[in-house]
Amino acid sequence: SQTIHQWPATLVQPVGSPLSLECTVEGTSNPNLYWYRQAAGRGLQLLFYSVGIGQISSEVPQNLSASRPQDRQFILSSKKLLLSDSGFYLCAWSQDRGYSPLHFGNGTRLTVT
Amino acid sequence: AQKITQTQPGMFVQEKEAVTLDCTYDTSDPSYGLFWYKQPSSGEMIFLIYQGSYDQQNATEGRYSLNFQKARKSANLVISASQLGDSAMYFCAMREVNTGGFKTIFGAGTRLFVKA
Repeated sequence: SQTIHQWPATLVQPVGSPLSLECTVEGTSNPNLYWYRQAAGRGLQLLFYSVGIGQISSEVPQNLSASRPQDRQFILSSKKLLLSDSGFYLCAWSQDRGYSPLHFGNGTRLTVT
Repeated sequence: AQKITQTQPGMFVQEKEAVTLDCTYDTSDPSYGLFWYKQPSSGEMIFLIYQGSYDQQNATEGRYSLNFQKARKSANLVISASQLGDSAMYFCAMREVNTGGFKTIFGAGTRLFVKA
């Protein structure tokens, strides 16, 4: 069966520090991968998605970047965090079919102080 | 452009009763998928149910059913026999097959409170 791992679960970082969140998927090949952000009490905002190694699409201009160095690995990064980067970050995968649902990791709660 | 609207910020239901969570959508793509997800207080997003735009029958998964009214562009979630564990945020989502690429967009969510 497929599983998705996301870490760390929580993170407190000072303004201006770098960020690296990692997500890996097991049990499937060539998944579509996604990073979403959820502000407190809000819906999910799509940040990045990837349909293959090295292929990244950005949805929202921001202080963040994403990379996919391996088929089942997706990384969210920042060189310098802003206060507005605080939120709940969720990684997800789906099969490469139009009606496939998203399967989410457990999320990372990021607080920028 | 694709859009999902959930107009109920919060809903209360008595345990063992049924509840309907509203969702309307807007799209010009004839091929799309509609999804419902549950987010407990722990934060993980749990996939509940799916409806394809060409499906003739309403989707059902255990106590969950999706009331799909295509002409009205609505995809309401019905939870029968509510349980205390159903208390959570519920999100409606949509993915356009042809024009939306691989993106799934989400509504703002509805917080459901189940009373004992």
